[in-house]
Amino acid sequence: EAQVTQNPRYLITVTGKKLTVTCSQNMNHEYMSWYRQDPGLGLRQIYYSMNVEVTDKGDVPEGYKVSRKEKRNFPLILESPSPNQTSLYFCASSLSVGEDYEQYFGPGTRLTVT
Amino acid sequence: QKEVEQNSGPLSVPEGAIASLNCTYSDRGSQSFFWYRQYSGKSPELIMSIYSNGDQEDGRFTAQLNKASQYVSLLIRDSQPSDSATYLCAVGHVGGSQGNLIFGKGTKLSVKP
Repeated sequence: EAQVTQNPRYLITVTGKKLTVTCSQNMNHEYMSWYRQDPGLGLRQIYYSMNVEVTDKGDVPEGYKVSRKEKRNFPLILESPSPNQTSLYFCASSLSVGEDYEQYFGPGTRLTVT
Repeated sequence: QKEVEQNSGPLSVPEGAIASLNCTYSDRGSQSFFWYRQYSGKSPELIMSIYSNGDQEDGRFTAQLNKASQYVSLLIRDSQPSDSATYLCAVGHVGGSQGNLIFGKGTKLSVKP
């Protein structure tokens, strides 16, 4: 089954404790992206990757890191999480970037930082 | 600052009616326009994409784009209770070396039986 998976689905952590949210897709997609969704603020892009070893900042990259060492994986790293990073996070992927592509979203990771 | 604006709603329509959802964007260089549907507690799913001025139809859904007015809309004909969801407009420079996508805050649609 074609899908984007994220782990963990739920995470409660404390301020300053480094964490990684994994994202994996089995569709051989080139493009992958991370978003956060907050009430009243909508869905905002954190980072995106056009292909292996090619990443760029979205609109809210502060406090996050990403890497794209393999095509299928695009982990999101929070080196020193803070309470303002409490949010619902989505990973998405698409075959490429351009016309007639569809972004497939993962199921989401709900992160709480205390 | 690139912005995408949507009425937050809720927009309430009776079953069988036409639901009209609107979106405006600030960046004239935007090239690609998408409508996503998001059910409560679920991830967004793409329902329509449009890249040139005019209408794009897919079943009960029609997307309309007017780049001069920086306006994109979604019409849902014969609305069903199952269409009740939040609809997200997304705009971006997508293509070539660019992949930045900006979402509106979404319009909540409620279809009453």
